[in-house]
Amino acid sequence: GDSVTQMEGPVTLSEEAFLTINCTYTATGYPSLFWYVQYPGEGLQLLLKATKADDKGSNKGFEATYRKETTSFHLEKGSVQVSDSAVYFCALSVWDTGRRALTFGSGTRLQVQP
Amino acid sequence: GAGVSQSPSNKVTEKGKDVELRCDPISGHTALYWYRQSLGQGLEFLIYFQGNSAPDKSGLPSDRFSAERTGGSVSTLTIQRTQQEDSAVYLCASSVQGAGELFFGEGSRLTVL
Repeated sequence: GDSVTQMEGPVTLSEEAFLTINCTYTATGYPSLFWYVQYPGEGLQLLLKATKADDKGSNKGFEATYRKETTSFHLEKGSVQVSDSAVYFCALSVWDTGRRALTFGSGTRLQVQP
Repeated sequence: GAGVSQSPSNKVTEKGKDVELRCDPISGHTALYWYRQSLGQGLEFLIYFQGNSAPDKSGLPSDRFSAERTGGSVSTLTIQRTQQEDSAVYLCASSVQGAGELFFGEGSRLTVL
């Protein structure tokens, strides 16, 4: 079945540090890939997405590139801020299987210290 | 409202009792999802509704769990004879058909004593 594997957290960084959160996937079809973010006390919200190989999703300074050859979708940001502290979830969906629900990874907590 | 609304936000119940959790999706969204988020775990898919199609119930963990969606809008997730392992945050999300982006509510935190 479909699955998503994320690096375990928490990830603790100082402000302005470079961030990478690794995400790899297995899928029976050709997936779309997503990063969702959950800020403290809030619901999950879409951060960025990519729908085909070599696409780069970007938002709020975060980027992730859809790498079909390595089945990866790593999240990166060049300079993190305290306000980026949150839990980040990698997810996929495979539309051609007829199932429209997203499959999520276990989440990675990011803590940014001033 | 503008977003997905869930109620109650917190529910504490005794083992063996039944609970109902409600989700009011974004107006016009034809797809509705329920997920469960346990402490330290990822999001576990429970059930998916799309328009008038039969729901995808493949994620429901046992026959104590059921859900319905009335009139293609509001959904209720029911857990019968609750167990301590049912304690979790239950998340509802909705989306425009085929759009890919899910909009989540803030969740209902269930604690079974």
